[in-house]
Order: sequence, then C-alpha cells, then structure tokens
Amino acid sequence: DARVTQTPRDKVTEMGQEVTMRCQPILGHNTVFWYRQTMMQGLELLAYFRNRAPLDDSGMPKDRFSAEMPDATLATLKIQPSEPRDSAVYFCASGLVTGTGNTGELFFGEGSRLTVL
Amino acid sequence: AQSVTQLDSHVSVSEGTPVLLRCNYSSSYSPSLFWYVQHPNKGLQLLLKYTSAATLVKGINGFEAEFKKSETSFHLTKPSAHMSDAAEYFCVVRRGGYNKLIFGAGTRLAVHP
Repeated sequence: DARVTQTPRDKVTEMGQEVTMRCQPILGHNTVFWYRQTMMQGLELLAYFRNRAPLDDSGMPKDRFSAEMPDATLATLKIQPSEPRDSAVYFCASGLVTGTGNTGELFFGEGSRLTVL
Repeated sequence: AQSVTQLDSHVSVSEGTPVLLRCNYSSSYSPSLFWYVQHPNKGLQLLLKYTSAATLVKGINGFEAEFKKSETSFHLTKPSAHMSDAAEYFCVVRRGGYNKLIFGAGTRLAVHP
C-alpha cells in the first residue's frame, strides 16, 4: 500500500533550535508539496517541487525556512532557528503530473507535529 | 485567482440524517475542484474530484458533490451520516497545472447518535 511517509511524527524543541522534517513521497510521483496547518491560518502551501526542482516557495518565510529534495525519495523542510510561532502540523504530499495533464490528486502523509517552546 | 469559500465552519447532524457541506468557488474559467477529508490526527484523503466531466461527482464512502456553474457552488452531500464521517472536510481548487491546491478553511462535521 503506497503512502507518503513523514518523520518525525511529533517534535518538541526549544526556541532557536534547528528542526528538520523529512518526507518520503510515493515512488513514481514527480511533485512534492509542503503544507503547514494551524488553527488560525488553516492549510498554507509552503513550497512545491516538480521533478525535484523547486517551483514555488513563495509561501515560505525565507529567512528561516528551507526546503530541498536531495533525491527523488527524500524531501526535507528545515527551520533554523525555530520560533514558537512555527508550532504547527507540517504535511508533505506527493502527486503525479504527466505530459497529458494530471489528476490533481495529492496523497498526504500523516504530518509532523512541531511544538516550539 | 481561483479560490474557495466554505460557508460553514461547523456542521452538526444526527446519525442517519443527510449531510450538506457548502462550498462556493471563484474562478475565471472552469476550475478543477476537490473535496478532501481529514480525520483527527491524520493526513488528508481525497473524497472526490471534479475536472469538467460529469457535473455530479461520486466519491468514496457514499459522498457526492454537484458542480453548479450558475451558482459557482460545489456542495458536498451524503444521504445518511455515519458516526465515522465525523471529521474535517476541505473544499479545494487547483490553481495552475502543477497540482497546486488551494484549500478552503474547512468544515468540521460532528455526527451525533
């Protein structure tokens, strides 16, 4: 059963610490997305990649956040330094875009819950 | 730019009664629309999608949605609610050609015995 895998599921850290969240997209998918979910803002798109290339990271605070795809099986989202306002659930999602169009369906991981004290 | 508005933040129904979750969209052309569901402490799962084929779209777990261009609506319905339907539901529009999904604020569905 193919699924998007995220680690860690839960992370508690202190302000100023570096946090790295990892995502393994579904094998064969060529788009990867990072979303952040909070009670106040709902689901916000932070960044997305196609074929490992970043296409849009306009939703991401540039000074402290960075997103990369070192290879097709791993996407990372890093926060350095972390702040209490970064506390949220971070979701990774993957999907398939083909030359003839795409289904628009994204498959989500179960999220990484980050708490910054 | 495309966007969606979910008209109710909370909906409460009794088990066995119909469910209606409302969504209006804004788009300058025919949009691709979706409904996703999120159960507590879980990721999001696709319920159904509209991509300009049939206007009545059937999804999983007995849900369906009707695309009404004249009303710019894409409401989600189910004839009979089940306790397991309690979750948060998101109306979503795709922006651009790269699966860039824009989520509504969500509607939390409560189902009472």
